[in-house]
Amino acid sequence: NAGVTQTPKFQVLKTGQSMTLQCAQDMNHNSMYWYRQDPGMGLRLIYYSASEGTTDKGEVPNGYNVSRLNKREFSLRLESAAPSQTSVYFCASSEGWASYEQYFGPGTRLTVT
Amino acid sequence: GDSVTQMEGPVTLSEEAFLTINCTYTATGYPSLFWYVQYPGEGLQLLLKATKADDKGSNKGFEATYRKETTSFHLEKGSVQVSDSAVYFCALRGNNRLAFGKGNQVVVIP
Repeated sequence: NAGVTQTPKFQVLKTGQSMTLQCAQDMNHNSMYWYRQDPGMGLRLIYYSASEGTTDKGEVPNGYNVSRLNKREFSLRLESAAPSQTSVYFCASSEGWASYEQYFGPGTRLTVT
Repeated sequence: GDSVTQMEGPVTLSEEAFLTINCTYTATGYPSLFWYVQYPGEGLQLLLKATKADDKGSNKGFEATYRKETTSFHLEKGSVQVSDSAVYFCALRGNNRLAFGKGNQVVVIP
């Protein structure tokens, strides 16, 4: 099992460009999450999908959109990138919304110039 | 809302030294508490957990005890190795979602 995979690993964007971060899990998990990690800030939840067909905002949703494409895949889209979105983005999944353990992908390092 | 506070700053120590990382929390109800570890270039992995007061979580020589009276969940290891160099995050899950602390970088010097 690959667990949680993310693409790309690294990306550089210019201000105003758009892109989609891809995430897939092969553990048959129901819930999936997108976090951003910034120095000194820990991890902050951007959006989550408690189950296939549902998505909800987390702490810092502004400037992002998500799509739960199917049970395996959960993508994060930046419509018009800003320098403030320079960060490391992690996707995670868990068996269910109330599950204790979340499994994380390796992350995408995004720089917006 | 629910929140987690970790001690400020990185931790640098020599191999075989004793490690403590402090974690305190604020939450309504009875949250579950976790320590996650992030090795260089990787995502977070669950290290240990405790789901009720006085529970002790342990894994890979690390331990943490859920102390409701002091709202704390400090991480300890008696003898660290170079391979323990990583960033450690305390987290809680209350009624809603997982809330993370800011993390502590631990550097173990041979």
